Amino acid sequence: EAGVAQSPRYKIIEKRQSVAFWCNPISGHATLYWYQQILGQGPKLLIQFQNNGVVDDSQLPKDRFSAERLKGVDSTLKIQPAKLEDSAVYLCASSADSRLLSGNTIYFGEGSWLTVV
Amino acid sequence: GNSVTQMEGPVTLSEEAFLTINCTYTATGYPSLFWYVQYPGEGLQLLLKATKADDKGSNKGFEATYRKETTSFHLEKGSVQVSDSAVYFCALSDGSSNTGKLIFGQGTTLQVKP
Repeated sequence: EAGVAQSPRYKIIEKRQSVAFWCNPISGHATLYWYQQILGQGPKLLIQFQNNGVVDDSQLPKDRFSAERLKGVDSTLKIQPAKLEDSAVYLCASSADSRLLSGNTIYFGEGSWLTVV
Repeated sequence: GNSVTQMEGPVTLSEEAFLTINCTYTATGYPSLFWYVQYPGEGLQLLLKATKADDKGSNKGFEATYRKETTSFHLEKGSVQVSDSAVYFCALSDGSSNTGKLIFGQGTTLQVKP
């Protein structure tokens, strides 16, 4: 079974530029997550989709971050304009169905490493 | 709100030593508890999980028991190997909400020396 795919793996941009990350979840997974992991910290949820609807975006900085999952499969996370503090690893994850709490295992991609200079 | 606290790292051990990484949590409802591992340059991988009190999760020689009375989920391994060197994250899934999202601790780095 193919895992969660993310691209690009690495990106270096200047502050105030824009960047987009792409994620393809495990086939059939209804729930898709984007997490931000700053160096030395645990991942923090940015946004969660159930199919193509947003379940939780309470910690997404909406003035600069946006995400979409138009057809309920792939997802794109965009940052515009980027700030130095956005330097982090952006992890995409998926699970079969977030409503199945006891059986809900979340699978992570390898991450997209962003450096803002 | 819900939170997870892990012991500070790095933890440095010699090969074949006993490992304990402490994890405590604060949560409403009945969370599920997880340990994830992150090897250098790789993404997070689920190591083990427990979904209710007194459950023991185990995998690859690692174990953790869900202790509701002490709100803990400590990770243990009887004999570590160099290949276990990684960052370990304790996490909980909020059992009282319908989102299934994970809340992570800050991570504990384990270094195993030959």
